[in-house]
Amino acid sequence: QKEVEQNSGPLSVPEGAIASLNCTYSDRGSQSFFWYRQYSGKSPELIMFIYSNGDKEDGRFTAQLNKASQYVSLLIRDSQPSDSATYLCAVNHLGNTDKLIFGTGTRLQVFP
Amino acid sequence: SQTIHQWPATLVQPVGSPLSLECTVEGTSNPNLYWYRQAAGRGLQLLFYSVGIGQISSEVPQNLSASRPQDRQFILSSKKLLLSDSGFYLCAWDWTGENSPLHFGNGTRLTVT
Repeated sequence: QKEVEQNSGPLSVPEGAIASLNCTYSDRGSQSFFWYRQYSGKSPELIMFIYSNGDKEDGRFTAQLNKASQYVSLLIRDSQPSDSATYLCAVNHLGNTDKLIFGTGTRLQVFP
Repeated sequence: SQTIHQWPATLVQPVGSPLSLECTVEGTSNPNLYWYRQAAGRGLQLLFYSVGIGQISSEVPQNLSASRPQDRQFILSSKKLLLSDSGFYLCAWDWTGENSPLHFGNGTRLTVT
């Protein structure tokens, strides 16, 4: 079983719509959750992090965490073509190094 | 503020040649340092991480090695490259603690021919 799972997509949404990206994880003891955006040919950049159950909003982005169901999601409101990228979910892996475990990413396409 | 520098940006090397990729972090001390590889269309694979000078942990046995000669310098090396070593190599840093996010360098696109 993969430790962090994401649908590879592509997820296609029209401009102005809400894009919903989902991620599930297997380590019930995970405490920290991160969303990275990666444009084609570029390195991942951090866009959101969440530590507590519930919602966390930052501009057009909302991260949602449900530890009981072991999923974390990212909502992008008013999607723009510039949001087209691969979104990586990362979960901290408890241990002596606190390494992040990454999902393989969901490719989002926002069409005009 | 902290910045991470990684070079070169692109590299084309023949099979069997050596490799040296360098990464430096500025604006912080005693960071954790990481080398990841991302093959085309694949996820991030952790290769090495280091919690201090001279302390290297390997995640995946292979023909690559890493060294940390200074607190904020991390080097990825190979004596003889394989075709399968092609990929996008990313250096990253964070601080110890489960809530510390990873910050990535701009990456090196390596093509082994």
